[in-house]
Amino acid sequence: GAVVSQHPSWVICKSGTSVKIECRSLDFQATTMFWYRQFPKQSLMLMATSNEGSKATYEQGVEKDKFLINHASLTLSTLTVTSAHPEDSSFYICSAPQIGDRGLGEQYFGPGTRLTVT
Amino acid sequence: DAKTTQPTSMDCAEGRAANLPCNHSTISGNEYVYWYRQIHSQGPQYIIHGLKNNETNEMASLIITEDRKSSTLILPHATLRDTAVYYCIVRVKNAGNMLTFGGGTRLMVKP
Repeated sequence: GAVVSQHPSWVICKSGTSVKIECRSLDFQATTMFWYRQFPKQSLMLMATSNEGSKATYEQGVEKDKFLINHASLTLSTLTVTSAHPEDSSFYICSAPQIGDRGLGEQYFGPGTRLTVT
Repeated sequence: DAKTTQPTSMDCAEGRAANLPCNHSTISGNEYVYWYRQIHSQGPQYIIHGLKNNETNEMASLIITEDRKSSTLILPHATLRDTAVYYCIVRVKNAGNMLTFGGGTRLMVKP
């Protein structure tokens, strides 16, 4: 199946700093990517939809100025957590649909990025 | 997408079959049943999907009731590496949109 990578796999940063997480589709192009957040012992919650060439769409309750999303190319989306605080510590996961001949696609997930803010 | 209901947790002995149930009583005619699993600290992994017929692949079997209101994921010979959270998701096939995750079932395979 298709492969989605994330970098870094884990990061520790100090409170108040910014952290950038990359999501890449390695063998297919993705005009749309999704960013999820997962707190311990909870399910994945969609944060935002990243759209190549246009602004991201954020779910209710997710601050767009805090979680900056840039879909720089058809294979790369980045999530920047600005002025991170300990409550932002979480597991961040991206996914991308692989578009088939009919213009639709199945979802492939990255391995996740563990963010710890101290 | 239709809502699903799964038990919070289940235990299974290593080498035995693990049967994970899922209720999806409001499923629509064009919605498929998908199963993903998430091993600790990893991204979700696709397992199998089906519409109305039973399906089998190298990972698991999917049994869907005739009325399509429920299904069961079967891991025929569970191993310790199958310990994970298993998510049952109902959606239109190849929709390309995001997946909505419920609570899933935490399967613990024990020696």
